[in-house]
Amino acid sequence: AQTVTQSQPEMSVQEAETVTLSCTYDTSESDYYLFWYKQPPSRQMILVIRQEAYKQQNATENRFSVNFQKAAKSFSLKISDSQLGDAAMYFCAYRSAWASGSRLTFGEGTQLTVNP
Amino acid sequence: DTAVSQTPKYLVTQMGNDKSIKCEQNLGHDTMYWYKQDSKKFLKIMFSYNNKELIINETVPNRFSPKSPDKAHLNLHINSLELGDSAVYFCASSRDPTDTQYFGPGTRLTVL
Repeated sequence: AQTVTQSQPEMSVQEAETVTLSCTYDTSESDYYLFWYKQPPSRQMILVIRQEAYKQQNATENRFSVNFQKAAKSFSLKISDSQLGDAAMYFCAYRSAWASGSRLTFGEGTQLTVNP
Repeated sequence: DTAVSQTPKYLVTQMGNDKSIKCEQNLGHDTMYWYKQDSKKFLKIMFSYNNKELIINETVPNRFSPKSPDKAHLNLHINSLELGDSAVYFCASSRDPTDTQYFGPGTRLTVL
């Protein structure tokens, strides 16, 4: 079974600075997807970024980018120019590329605080 | 327009009661899911339906029964509620089982 580990329960960053959230995963599959979801205090789960394992290029969405290291099974999220609205719980998630494995497996989450 | 909606947003009930949570998506997706988020914020899959057919059924007490009357709706019925059922329940949907999942706002269930 796949597992996802986020080793940083809490992180903090100053507004306008850059922060990196770590995520590692374990799988025997070669084809899969990785995601970062954000959960602000409103508790809504919001997709931040998605990475296909077969793509070598790291995904980028505006101020959010990932460092995907397939061999190391590492998938970190970098937030540049942090804003107060970025404060939230961030979840890393894994999903198999096979339809039968369509469940998302989540990490434990990292609570990000943005200091003004 | 809300893409994935859930009702109610909050549900407070007594132990032993039966309750339902409803989920609707207007994205035209074929696949829908139920996840449970416990008090430590850990999220875990419970069920998934694709084209109204159950495709994922995790190790969940049989007091929990999902029902999909059509592709746009996936309801969760819980019998004989227990204290440990208190959690936030999220509905999600995706175009198909291999596509990105989009979440509803969650339903916070409190069992007293």
